[in-house]
Amino acid sequence: DQQVKQNSPSLSVQEGRISILNCDYTNSMFDYFLWYKKYPAEGPTFLISISSIKDKNEDGRFTVFLNKSAKHLSLHIVPSQPGDSAVYFCAASPISSGSARQLTFGSGTQLTVLP
Amino acid sequence: GAGVSQSPSNKVTEKGKDVELRCDPISGHTALYWYRQSLGQGLEFLIYFQGNSAPDKSGLPSDRFSAERTGGSVSTLTIQRTQQEDSAVYLCASSSRDRAKYFGPGTRLTVL
Repeated sequence: DQQVKQNSPSLSVQEGRISILNCDYTNSMFDYFLWYKKYPAEGPTFLISISSIKDKNEDGRFTVFLNKSAKHLSLHIVPSQPGDSAVYFCAASPISSGSARQLTFGSGTQLTVLP
Repeated sequence: GAGVSQSPSNKVTEKGKDVELRCDPISGHTALYWYRQSLGQGLEFLIYFQGNSAPDKSGLPSDRFSAERTGGSVSTLTIQRTQQEDSAVYLCASSSRDRAKYFGPGTRLTVL
């Protein structure tokens, strides 16, 4: 049973438009969430995180929204650029965990930004 | 280099053979993790090392899998008697205190 789900395996967006990547989770103990970006032949790169005490965290073109009641988070990229084309993973963990081993990852969404 | 490095980048082996995968973490990072990503799946935790503490092996899928970390730095993941279902990208990550782990490029293992 997947505790972190990314139901869209792929997403295509026009350059300059908004990209919205979605992630759902089932474990109510999760209260810390992260997004990673992965290019082919490279390891995932940390992008942005959010804890459950917030519902929004913004870093430049990247904003993560958290809806705890719906157990849903999303990553918004505005404006989208061709260099943003990559696989995006969401991950979740219980904040009370003293170890990052508790990160549970989704299966990823391939974002393609069309020029 | 400044990042996590892994070798080899690709490994093709025959079913039943043993393989060793290597990870060089970022210097000074006390925590080291191994994950694997099978086709169409998310990252699956395998094993975690923190300093001199006993490793957390709770994610290892079978006793054919083992890992060592020598001198608190380099780590080797060994898979004995490989099976086709072991085919995946094996990712190593290191970190200092936080969860923003730094990943290596991975080793793509193909078991024929």
